[in-house]
Amino acid sequence: GQQLNQSPQSMFIQEGEDVSMNCTSSSIFNTWLWYKQDPGEGPVLLIALYKAGELTSNGRLTAQFGITRKDSFLNISASIPSDVGIYFCAGLKRSGSRLTFGEGTQLTVNP
Amino acid sequence: EPEVTQTPSHQVTQMGQEVILRCVPISNHLYFYWYRQILGQKVEFLVSFYNNEISEKSEIFDDQFSVERPDGSNFTLKIRSTKLEDSAMYFCGTGKEVDTQYFGPGTRLTVL
Repeated sequence: GQQLNQSPQSMFIQEGEDVSMNCTSSSIFNTWLWYKQDPGEGPVLLIALYKAGELTSNGRLTAQFGITRKDSFLNISASIPSDVGIYFCAGLKRSGSRLTFGEGTQLTVNP
Repeated sequence: EPEVTQTPSHQVTQMGQEVILRCVPISNHLYFYWYRQILGQKVEFLVSFYNNEISEKSEIFDDQFSVERPDGSNFTLKIRSTKLEDSAMYFCGTGKEVDTQYFGPGTRLTVL
């Protein structure tokens, strides 16, 4: 099946630090979505990217849709304790079709 | 802000029993999905549903699974004869546009 390689698997950072994580694929996706999941809850949509090269921000979060359409990254600036959770990238090959999820990045922020 | 809701939050069942998981999508959303997440693993696609029919299903979604939108409001996932390996979190997803999917809080299914 289609694979999204998400890295790093986990990150341990100090409050106030910036964070970067990324997803890569061997195939093209036409939409990239980034989600955050807290324990025992559903994924919450953070940012949606629809065009190659697009750079989109949502508060302290910035995400980019790679030019090749095979990758995307998510940056979190000035991290705070409530940023703790698992971040998933998800790719969509065509409209209305299945999302393919990455393996997730577990973020821990030490106060 | 409108949210996807799911019931029950936790379902415990015996192997071989039927379960029905329910979702109330965000109103005016037209695209519906079910995904599952086995503990500690990534989220996996099960099925998508649009215009009252299945538009895509994964290899996981075999004859034991079915979906329907019986009353134009609820969107349900039925597992006819549960197996141990069906234990997982099940997430309902909905979308107004085809390129965005929002998820509910999930139903934790435990099969004993």
